[in-house]
Amino acid sequence: GEDVEQSLFLSVREGDSSVINCTYTDSSSTYLYWYKQEPGAGLQLLTYIFSNMDMKQDQRLTVLLNKKDKHLSLRIADTQTGDSAIYFCAESPSNYQLIWGAGTKLIIKP
Amino acid sequence: EPEVTQTPSHQVTQMGQEVILRCVPISNHLYFYWYRQILGQKVEFLVSFYNNEISEKSEIFDDQFSVERPDGSNFTLKIRSTKLEDSAMYFCASSAASLNSPLHFGNGTRLTVT
Repeated sequence: GEDVEQSLFLSVREGDSSVINCTYTDSSSTYLYWYKQEPGAGLQLLTYIFSNMDMKQDQRLTVLLNKKDKHLSLRIADTQTGDSAIYFCAESPSNYQLIWGAGTKLIIKP
Repeated sequence: EPEVTQTPSHQVTQMGQEVILRCVPISNHLYFYWYRQILGQKVEFLVSFYNNEISEKSEIFDDQFSVERPDGSNFTLKIRSTKLEDSAMYFCASSAASLNSPLHFGNGTRLTVT
């Protein structure tokens, strides 16, 4: 069945770039998503990429998609303490539902 | 920016009781969803809803669950007889169109069944 895999933790120094990786299984997914969840908060849509794109940039965020390897990454440039959160990758194999990764907790070191 | 709102933020109930979780989707959105996240586990799809009927539901969404859009603004999830394992964070989401628009989520309702 469909599955989305992410590493559970990533630790970076403030000011460095963070790269969060994700692999997925369903090549028919139309969109792939990155959501951010801060402690005690909901799921905030960060960005998404259409499956026929390789890259999408939005201010400090860069999403790279390798369809051949079914690999998605999120790069956060100049990581700040406010970027501390859990980042979820999700794919959309059907019209009506998302399949989620377990989330990567981003830890910022001063 | 318009947002999805959920109430209450935290609900505590006894096993066997009925609960209703409430959501107000973004006003011009047409598709509505419920997801849940059991502590320490992945976010799981429960149900999607369009044009006043269920579009798709997961195996989790059994006869104990139901959804309703009682008026033009609210979207509710009812659990008829809660079990301990229903304890989770329940997220409501909405999207303008299923294929071309992303899902926007509320802040969730933390349901604790004792």
